[in-house]
Amino acid sequence: DAKTTQPNSMESNEEEPVHLPCNHSTISGTDYIHWYRQLPSQGPEYVIHGLTSNVNNRMASLAIAEDRKSSTLILHRATLRDAAVYYCILVNNAGNMLTFGGGTRLMVKP
Amino acid sequence: DAGITQSPRYKITETGRQVTLMCHQTWSHSYMFWYRQDLGHGLRLIYYSAAADITDKGEVPDGYVVSRSKTENFPLTLESATRSQTSVYFCASSDAGITNEKLFFGSGTQLSVL
Repeated sequence: DAKTTQPNSMESNEEEPVHLPCNHSTISGTDYIHWYRQLPSQGPEYVIHGLTSNVNNRMASLAIAEDRKSSTLILHRATLRDAAVYYCILVNNAGNMLTFGGGTRLMVKP
Repeated sequence: DAGITQSPRYKITETGRQVTLMCHQTWSHSYMFWYRQDLGHGLRLIYYSAAADITDKGEVPDGYVVSRSKTENFPLTLESATRSQTSVYFCASSDAGITNEKLFFGSGTQLSVL
């Protein structure tokens, strides 16, 4: 399975945009890019996913590089409730397994 | 809108005992999954099921047994609990696999094996 690389932690100020990067240089053409987040003492929560084009939903935006070797999760206005571990995961057509790496711990300062 | 529920929320048991963790979903999702999360680490897949009566091993299946006689239930059994199985266990479901679908996770069961 292709792997992802994320910074261990990031800090943001409340109400400012946050850009969470993810590198996946060995991504294959059929790998989808998924993002989940995990708030303290809770199960993971789906955020967004995409294949080639940028995606937007009510929670966030996903910007995918043209060569697909990296992507960025964008939280448009961080709130204290967005403090969580964010996981970038590649999912292949042939797989039934989400492989969670270490993720990025996002801290939001008031 | 019950969604996906896990029980119990907390469980303490002793080495060698059999323990069953329950998972129930109300959406009639085809796929169900069991993950474990050890302190400070990401999630690892134990078992998954694509439909009733179909189960398959994940990354760390040893010491665990699953069954799926009904679409909505996916119990996980530790046949003889060991201390290394102390962990938080998460159940998840999805409508059609995971590639272009999202997973819905339960709140987890925190298991301590003494």
